[in-house]
Amino acid sequence: DTGVSQNPRHKITKRGQNVTFRCDPISEHNRLYWYRQTLGQGPEFLTYFQNEAQLEKSRLLSDRFSAERPKGSFSTLEIQRTEQGDSAMYLCASSPQPQGARGYTFGSGTRLTVV
Amino acid sequence: EDKVVQSPLSLVVHEGDTVTLNCSYEVTNFRSLLWYKQEKKAPTFLFMLTSSGIEKKSGRLSSILDKKELFSILNITATQTGDSAVYLCAVARGSGNTPLVFGKGTRLSVIA
Repeated sequence: DTGVSQNPRHKITKRGQNVTFRCDPISEHNRLYWYRQTLGQGPEFLTYFQNEAQLEKSRLLSDRFSAERPKGSFSTLEIQRTEQGDSAMYLCASSPQPQGARGYTFGSGTRLTVV
Repeated sequence: EDKVVQSPLSLVVHEGDTVTLNCSYEVTNFRSLLWYKQEKKAPTFLFMLTSSGIEKKSGRLSSILDKKELFSILNITATQTGDSAVYLCAVARGSGNTPLVFGKGTRLSVIA
């Protein structure tokens, strides 16, 4: 297992469409995080899982956003009725628990463009 | 509300210069501070700091934490064009069970 994998790398969608992103974490990591990053900003926390349990959701996560990690392995992030303001890089990260001395391992992200 | 503030937001230097990047924080129940380098996509880990006054070094990069004054610096000596990136500072809180809080990053451009 070479790292955190995210698919797709890029997604262009029309406003109002639904999109789904996938994240495959490092297999022995039981923590999985979703962050959103817009241009000129640092990553903003969206939600995280410990195994299959979703432990925290940010206030940024409107009801159009939903995330799952059904078997405690890969995770999906779905955005319904996309808006132009959803355009961003969506980063997934994983870590062991307790968090090790190297923090999170990030994936390369999915860049979403809503037109 | 927890805050991580980085300065400067952007910086342009010539190869061979030394740079200092700053990160200040106001968080409840501080646990550790982390530095990441983000070139194109995935942030990559540089340092984790938990104790004041102990410098961490990796090649030309070094970092130190001051828990009394609530800040950290990241130094890069003899900069190279390959150091061009966004440098992110993040803070871990509590028992480590809460997500990292990131600053906006410092965009460093090193020109030949």
